[in-house]
Amino acid sequence: SQQGEEDPQALSIQEGENATMNCSYKTSINNLQWYRQNSGRGLVHLILIRSNEREKHSGRLRVTLDTSKKSSSLLITASRAADTASYFCAASYNTDKLIFGTGTRLQVFP
Amino acid sequence: GAVVSQHPSWVICKSGTSVKIECRSLDFQATTMFWYRQFPKQSLMLMATSNEGSKATYEQGVEKDKFLINHASLTLSTLTVTSAHPEDSSFYICSASVPGGRKETQYFGPGTRLLVL
Repeated sequence: SQQGEEDPQALSIQEGENATMNCSYKTSINNLQWYRQNSGRGLVHLILIRSNEREKHSGRLRVTLDTSKKSSSLLITASRAADTASYFCAASYNTDKLIFGTGTRLQVFP
Repeated sequence: GAVVSQHPSWVICKSGTSVKIECRSLDFQATTMFWYRQFPKQSLMLMATSNEGSKATYEQGVEKDKFLINHASLTLSTLTVTSAHPEDSSFYICSASVPGGRKETQYFGPGTRLLVL
């Protein structure tokens, strides 16, 4: 299976703290994407980082990519209770298919 | 832009019946749509890639006769769970990639929760 691994599986923090989630994948990718899913809902695309990029920012989100280690991280700074959700990385290989990681459940306490 | 809808949002059916789930791209034409299933507290698993006007491509281990996919138009793909059983109970999510340019980003529907009794 090409499914990526994410850690931690679950993360609980206080509002204002930063949250870091990590994703590892199996083989060379075209790009890696991060999605957010609120409980029982569809997915929302957060950010895409291409294989030739190392870091990308979008608002309070910072994504890094280390192709030598086949890993990526998502940092959410100054977290809010509304950030509570599950976060998934998804790797795009040589096709337009996405292979999702196992996910991190983030709980932000007010 | 790039809104994807699913219908129904939830469905309860008896074992042995068939259930059809629709996935529509509302403001764009999607030549490719994807179907995923998600068990509680687990990740999304790709079931199949649906291409308009051609047969769907199924992932390994997904029964094509069990999960019928039809992509008859550029805005509609349907997934039919045939002879549903309780183990088919799951959250089914579709997505569509925007044609023309990079197909990197997929836009996801809100999902359909299926409960088979």
